[in-house]
Amino acid sequence: QVTLRESGPALVEPTQTLTLTCTLSGFSLSAPGLCVSWVRQPPGKALEWLALIDWDDDEYYSTSLKTRLTISKDTSKSQVVLTMTNMDPLDTATYYCARVHWGGYDPYCDYWGQGTLVTVSS
Amino acid sequence: QSVLTQPPSVSAAPGQKVTISCSRNNSNIANNYVSWYQQVPGTAPKLLIYDNNKRSSGIPGRFSGSKSDTSATLGITGLQTGDEAEYYCGIWDTSLSAVMVFGGGTKLTVL
Repeated sequence: QVTLRESGPALVEPTQTLTLTCTLSGFSLSAPGLCVSWVRQPPGKALEWLALIDWDDDEYYSTSLKTRLTISKDTSKSQVVLTMTNMDPLDTATYYCARVHWGGYDPYCDYWGQGTLVTVSS
Repeated sequence: QSVLTQPPSVSAAPGQKVTISCSRNNSNIANNYVSWYQQVPGTAPKLLIYDNNKRSSGIPGRFSGSKSDTSATLGITGLQTGDEAEYYCGIWDTSLSAVMVFGGGTKLTVL
């Protein structure tokens, strides 16, 4: 059974760095064709993709946010970590991690965590 | 503004059929493989369709995906009140850099 669970602070002050952890089970981060992405959703708004790390440790980032994002993984711990620097109130959102299947054609998110709400406020 | 355009809302009565379109701004979608996600309010998105027209495990045959050169379409037949949700299309866009993109979402109301 594939599961993903996000964890991290619920409240972050402006200018601080956010660190989120995705703990997964039911698959390996080193399995060819499997990746993990982070996606966020501001309250009442659409999904916004942030970053992806693949089985070979290749990293992909949102064009508009890449200067602020870092994605990494610890295969032994089955964890993927996302850091976002210089947080702003506009970054208030529910942050999801998702497993990405990239084995055939284009990648897609096949399993999602429940999400964690991060509020940026002083 | 997303690279992918969806209608903000659609509605239909229970038992009816509805379609949701997804088009790519200033380009055709012919070279992309489209996925579709359902998000019931207060829950995480769920994969419905991948590779344009393949149903994810456990998704009933009432949901279907199709694609032309200019747009992708999600179809839902035999509408149920439980289908009321936000629906998003998604692609992997390699036109400039390799990024995942989601549409702006379509709110389905089952009247």
